[in-house]
Amino acid sequence: QKEVEQNSGPLSVPEGAIASLNCTYSDRVSQSFFWYRQYSGKSPELIMSIYSNGDKEDGRFTAQLNKASQYVSLLIRDSQPSDSATYLCAVNLGRGSTLGRLYFGRGTQLTVWP
Amino acid sequence: DVKVTQSSRYLVKRTGEKVFLECVQDMDHENMFWYRQDPGLGLRLIYFSYDVKMKEKGDIPEGYSVSREKKERFSLILESASTNQTSMYLCASSTRTTGGNQPQHFGDGTRLSIL
Repeated sequence: QKEVEQNSGPLSVPEGAIASLNCTYSDRVSQSFFWYRQYSGKSPELIMSIYSNGDKEDGRFTAQLNKASQYVSLLIRDSQPSDSATYLCAVNLGRGSTLGRLYFGRGTQLTVWP
Repeated sequence: DVKVTQSSRYLVKRTGEKVFLECVQDMDHENMFWYRQDPGLGLRLIYFSYDVKMKEKGDIPEGYSVSREKKERFSLILESASTNQTSMYLCASSTRTTGGNQPQHFGDGTRLSIL
């Protein structure tokens, strides 16, 4: 059973639309959730962290966490072609968490077309 | 800003060579990680370290070893390089907290080709 799952995509949205990226995880005791953006040929870049249930907004990005449903999502409002990238969800699942380990999903590739 | 520096962006080695990949971070982070990333397989953890001289196996440690003699430096060693170790290698670091985890910060990566 995969521990952190993302909708594999690819996801394609027009410029100006809302892009919705989803992630589910297997461990109820998880406490920390992160979204990374990775451009082709580059390394992952942290864009959002969320630790509590509810929404967290940062500019055009909103992270949503529902621990009861073991679900975290990332919304990108007013999507721009520069948002075209692969988005990785990362979670500190129970085992290994005290040593700083994160578990990553395989990523969702997003394309924003003009 | 956190700075994680990997010694090479591109590296070409031959089968059977012993290969060293170096990673240095400047934020006094306790935790350091080595991943490889291959198309369709995502990020896979090779080894990580939560303190000087301490190491833990990740999901794919076979064929690799690591060294952490100083807090800021974490080295990945390919004991005898093979063609199936051709990949993008990513180093990351994070700080230790008592509750939850802090995010990991990545270096630029080393694209390693084994011929």
